[in-house]
Amino acid sequence: NAGVMQNPRHLVRRRGQEARLRCSPMKGHSHVYWYRQLPEEGLKFMVYLQKENIIDESGMPKERFSAEFPKEGPSILRIQQVVRGDSAAYFCASSTDRSALGEQFFGPGTRLTVL
Amino acid sequence: AQSVTQPDIHITVSEGASLELRCNYSYGATPYLFWYVQSPGQGLQLLLKYFSGDTLVQGIKGFEAEFKRSQSSFNLRKPSVHWSDAAEYFCAVGAGLKADKLIFGTGTRLQVFP
Repeated sequence: NAGVMQNPRHLVRRRGQEARLRCSPMKGHSHVYWYRQLPEEGLKFMVYLQKENIIDESGMPKERFSAEFPKEGPSILRIQQVVRGDSAAYFCASSTDRSALGEQFFGPGTRLTVL
Repeated sequence: AQSVTQPDIHITVSEGASLELRCNYSYGATPYLFWYVQSPGQGLQLLLKYFSGDTLVQGIKGFEAEFKRSQSSFNLRKPSVHWSDAAEYFCAVGAGLKADKLIFGTGTRLQVFP
C-alpha cells in the first residue's frame, strides 16, 4: 500500500505564474488536508477536503489559493499569480476518518520556490 | 487561541544519551496531542498521540511522552538515543470541532553525535 504521494517534489515558478500541487491520498482514504510550512515555522493548516467537497478552508488565504479533490484523481492545490511569499513547503495528509482518532498520514511535501 | 510552543529550536545529544524534547500547549478544552517526526526530504510520521486515560503514552521507535495538565506540557522522551533518531520533531494539538485540524509547534531539530 503506497503512502501519500505528492508531486512535484520541487517546483520553481516566477512571480505571476501559476503553481499546481498534486496530492494522491493513500488507498481507501477519502479525507485530505493541506498544510503549509513557511521557513523556520511549523506547519499551518490550510484546507480540509473530502471527495468533491471543501469542508473547511479556514486556513486558506482569501485570494489566489484554491483547492479541489475531484471524484477521480488527486487533490490539487492551486496558487495563481504566485508571489515570493508563497515560497514554502506544502504538505498534504490523508486519513480514513475526520477526527483526531483518524491518523493523518503525510506526504513528502512539495517545495515551492518563487523567483 | 490555540497554540503549541517548542522552546528548543535545536538540540544536540550523544548517541546513547537520554533525550527530552519540550512541548507546551495552549488549549481551552481537553487537548488531543501528537508528536510527529520528519526526516530530511520525508513527510511527517506519527510517533505517538494522547487523547485521554493514562498520561504516559508509549509510541514507536522507543519514544514516550507524558501529558501534564497542570503544566500544559506534553514532553517527548527517549532513554537512549540512536544516531538514526536525528530528525526534526514536531508537537501538535488537534483543534476544531473534530480535533482534526492540527496546530503544530515550530519544531525541534535533533542532532546526534556518535
